[in-house]
Amino acid sequence: ETGVTQTPRHLVMGMTNKKSLKCEQHLGHNAMYWYKQSAKKPLELMFVYNFKEQTENNSVPSRFSPECPNSSHLFLHLHTLQPEDSALYLCASSQDGGGARSGANVLTFGAGSRLTVL
Amino acid sequence: SQKIEQNSEALNIQEGKTATLTCNYTNYSPAYLQWYRQDPGRGPVFLLLIRENEKEKRKERLKVTFDTTLKQSLFHITASQPADSATYLCALGRDRFGAGTRLTVKP
Repeated sequence: ETGVTQTPRHLVMGMTNKKSLKCEQHLGHNAMYWYKQSAKKPLELMFVYNFKEQTENNSVPSRFSPECPNSSHLFLHLHTLQPEDSALYLCASSQDGGGARSGANVLTFGAGSRLTVL
Repeated sequence: SQKIEQNSEALNIQEGKTATLTCNYTNYSPAYLQWYRQDPGRGPVFLLLIRENEKEKRKERLKVTFDTTLKQSLFHITASQPADSATYLCALGRDRFGAGTRLTVKP
């Protein structure tokens, strides 16, 4: 394992279901992130948390709701999803959560949660 | 608008040859550039970082160059092996990733 653990690895849900993705990092990092990865598309940054405070929300629909109870845990609550939300959801952490020019955010990713929305 | 392009979606080479992957960007002046490796069903793994004032960085069989005038980075794997087969992503920040190049090294 890379130090970032994601569960579940695979999730199939209907459009009316409510589910959650969980991420835990054991690296002592200060920042945590949610990304969406669709086939043949670049990684899309969804949310950024710095010291458990949300610092960035990249116009993500409200059917995705993040929660960061502490610096080591991150959740992504899902409800009323659409089939186009099917993707690999990646959690990452880094020591520094600042912007691109404030420091080199070397990201450590989890293995991802493969989500299929029927 | 800012764009990051990895020129090849897929690259096939013979074992032992040097693989060269390209990352181009426009309308942006990054302070650094990173390369990640991603295997199927796994998250990306960090490989190398090069800063805007560095021309070249090496790590074992890997070499990265960064030309801020051309707005381009080249990623080289020398003496390639089948185990190097993966998708390689360039990143200019936590929110600026290329779509990746899938490298296949044939024995």
